[in-house]
Amino acid sequence: DAGVIQSPRHEVTEMGQEVTLRCKPISGHNSLFWYRQTMMRGLELLIYFNNNVPIDDSGMPEDRFSAKMPNASFSTLKIQPSEPRDSAVYFCASSPGQGATYEQYFGPGTRLTVT
Amino acid sequence: ILNVEQSPQSLHVQEGDSTNFTCSFPSSNFYALHWYRWETAKSPEALFVMTLNGDEKKKGRISATLNTKEGYSYLYIKGSQPEDSATYLCASQGGSEKLVFGKGMKLTVNP
Repeated sequence: DAGVIQSPRHEVTEMGQEVTLRCKPISGHNSLFWYRQTMMRGLELLIYFNNNVPIDDSGMPEDRFSAKMPNASFSTLKIQPSEPRDSAVYFCASSPGQGATYEQYFGPGTRLTVT
Repeated sequence: ILNVEQSPQSLHVQEGDSTNFTCSFPSSNFYALHWYRWETAKSPEALFVMTLNGDEKKKGRISATLNTKEGYSYLYIKGSQPEDSATYLCASQGGSEKLVFGKGMKLTVNP
């Protein structure tokens, strides 16, 4: 398996623009997680899905952020409009299932810079 | 303890030294404790997932112990090598799949 795939790897955009980050989880994994990594706050969970259904979105910072998982093999994280404080590395991770202590498999991350 | 805390935040050691670091987590509503290894320019990779009080897990020169009653876990590296240089993250898992990560411990092993 290729592992968790994220695109783009790097994104530079201007304030106010819409940004869409994409993730393909490992085939057969039922849970998908979106994280944001910053120097100040470390690795924070934004939202996670199980069987394509959002389970916990309490980490989504504000209404400018939205995430979807239309099918088992694809998820998007959208920021509209983007702001400079959104600059961070965004990771997607997947794990085999719910209700057990499975490890999470992380993608390579998307480094977002908002100018 | 409301958050997951790791100490020290960074550590510089010489090749061959043994190291240990601490992760403190909320002992209430505990489900599991995860350790991840994160090399620069890569993504975090799981080392251990531990659930039972007194658990001890080992992978090569790296081992971890768990005390759920007092809310801490230790990670040990025996005979550190330069390739062990990385950030080591711990994360607490409560009743759901949600992980709460500490800020990590950056280890640098000098040859």
